[in-house]
Amino acid sequence: EAQVTQNPRYLITVTGKKLTVTCSQNMNHEYMSWYRQDPGLGLRQIYYSMNVEVTDKGDVPEGYKVSRKEKRNFPLILESPSPNQTSLYFCASMQRGGGLSAGELFFGEGSRLTVL
Amino acid sequence: AQTVTQSQPEMSVQEAETVTLSCTYDTSESDYYLFWYKQPPSRQMILVIRQEAYKQQNATENRFSVNFQKAAKSFSLKISDSQLGDAAMYFCAYRSRRNEKLTFGTGTRLTIIP
Repeated sequence: EAQVTQNPRYLITVTGKKLTVTCSQNMNHEYMSWYRQDPGLGLRQIYYSMNVEVTDKGDVPEGYKVSRKEKRNFPLILESPSPNQTSLYFCASMQRGGGLSAGELFFGEGSRLTVL
Repeated sequence: AQTVTQSQPEMSVQEAETVTLSCTYDTSESDYYLFWYKQPPSRQMILVIRQEAYKQQNATENRFSVNFQKAAKSFSLKISDSQLGDAAMYFCAYRSRRNEKLTFGTGTRLTIIP
């Protein structure tokens, strides 16, 4: 089954304690991205990656890091989480270029992060 | 930079009736994709419908259809014969063909009244 898997689904942590949210896709997509969703703000892009070893900042990258060492994995790292990073996070992947599913983002199920 | 505006934070509709959700966007590009995504209480993001800007014909998926007005930069979603399962947050999104960036609107929460 084609899917994007992210873990953990729920996490409560404290300020300053490093954490990693993992993301893996099995569709051989080149493009992967992280979003955060906050009430009234929709989904905002944190970082994205066009291919292995290629990453770039989205609209709200401050306080986050990513890496893309393998095509299927795109972890999101919070080196020193703060309460303003409390949010719902989505990982997504997409086939680049044309084709039947071109442009369609496939989303993970979301990770609810609370930073106290 | 592209922007996507959903001016209706909340809407409600009687079951079996028709409702239209509005979306406008701003871009200088001529070739792009537009999407409507649905997010039910489960939080999962589900693609509802997709429109390619170079196609003049409005996309349709069963009870869901769009009214794509390229010159006006408008992309509304019409849901016919509304069902209880349609209750969700709906996001309009724009994807640039040039840099593949996807930009979302702030969402419209749709309530279905039995």
